Amino acid sequence: QVQLQQSGPGLVKPSQTLSLTCAISGDSVSSKFATWNWIRQSPSRGLEWLGRTYYRSKWYDDYAVSVKTRITINPDTSKNQVSLHLNSVTPEDTAVYYCSRGDPPFDYWGQGTLVTVSS
Amino acid sequence: QSVLTQPPSVSAAPGQTVTISCSGSSSNIGSNSVSWYQQLPGTAPKLLIYENNERPSGIPDRFSGSKSDTSATLGITGLQTGDEADYYCGTWDSSLSVVFGGGTKLTVL
Repeated sequence: QVQLQQSGPGLVKPSQTLSLTCAISGDSVSSKFATWNWIRQSPSRGLEWLGRTYYRSKWYDDYAVSVKTRITINPDTSKNQVSLHLNSVTPEDTAVYYCSRGDPPFDYWGQGTLVTVSS
Repeated sequence: QSVLTQPPSVSAAPGQTVTISCSGSSSNIGSNSVSWYQQLPGTAPKLLIYENNERPSGIPDRFSGSKSDTSATLGITGLQTGDEADYYCGTWDSSLSVVFGGGTKLTVL
């Protein structure tokens, strides 16, 4: 059974970097059959896909245009986890952040992390 | 504003049937498979339907999906109070991004 366990701070100051980690069990971040995503949800923006990383003989990543200049999604093969880094955050980045597996469809989700951007 | 359009809310009585629509365009639903998600309050979304009409293991056959041209539909029969949730459609878009609907709140009266 695949499980995704998220961790990271719930409060980030404006202009700083939001960093979250998703620890994977029951699958491998390096699997040639899996894709690892970050998705966020807020009342104003609904569900918003942020980006993904996946391994197909080499590492690939894709990002949503809305955050492309500010986001990095990194795999960590030694810890079997994937991280999200979103820099220069503003209050508009306040949301519940989820990691998820899928291309889509997204069949497994982390528990979600509420991140508030506030000074 | 979401790329895919869903009705904000639907309602029906227990035991009845409800459908939730999801409208898109040729760049998303028209050329890619649709998946549906159920989100109970305070929890992460849960996959209900994938590849337009397939159910993951453990999802009862009361839930069904269909797709026609640039629209998709989620159907729920034999409504139960436990089905009260928000429902979202999602798919890949040719802009190289995943897109979702704005969500539909189902109320079981």
